Amino acid sequence: KQEVTQIPAALSVPEGENLVLNCSFTDSAIYNLQWFRQDPGKGLTSLLLIQSSQREQTSGRLNASLDKSSGRSTLYIAASQPGDSATYLCAVRTGGYQKVTFGTGTKLQVIP
Amino acid sequence: DAGVTQSPTHLIKTRGQHVTLRCSPISGHKSVSWYQQVLGQGPQFIFQYYEKEERGRGNFPDRFSARQFPNYSSELNVNALLLGDSALYLCASSAGTLNTEAFFGQGTRLTVV
Repeated sequence: KQEVTQIPAALSVPEGENLVLNCSFTDSAIYNLQWFRQDPGKGLTSLLLIQSSQREQTSGRLNASLDKSSGRSTLYIAASQPGDSATYLCAVRTGGYQKVTFGTGTKLQVIP
Repeated sequence: DAGVTQSPTHLIKTRGQHVTLRCSPISGHKSVSWYQQVLGQGPQFIFQYYEKEERGRGNFPDRFSARQFPNYSSELNVNALLLGDSALYLCASSAGTLNTEAFFGQGTRLTVV
């Protein structure tokens, strides 16, 4: 059974800092890993999708890496802004199609 | 193009009642999945449908059922509601192949009283 863990559970940083969010998974036989952002009471917004054959993906100030063999992914956020405040979730796909296992998330607060 | 749309956005039901939640995927997407997110936790997989057939089921009781229609929209049904069914129910759509991106709707907030 796939288990996904995210550390830390919560993070508070001053505006402008670079930060790293961590995601680990127990079964390395994944198809892909996706990072999402969730604002309070809202749905999920897709940030980055990394296929199992890829090492990293970049979008703007966001960079996600994947080390499948060690069961780890990191989301790097450069020059954080108050608007980045949200919960960040990672999700791994195993077993085909859309069977996705989520982590419990990291709640980020960026202080102006 | 419209994203994934879910209805209703909020719903209050009484224990023992039945509820139907609806989801319209992104145009051209053939796969729809349902997730339950309890406050403070990550979403939990309930069902996945592709081309109108069930392709995956999570660890949820038989009170939960779903279906997908010819236009690829989907319904999630929950019978005999319990207080513990109170959650945000999320729908995700994708083009359907293994390595495609999942896009989520804004969810339906269900409160059981």
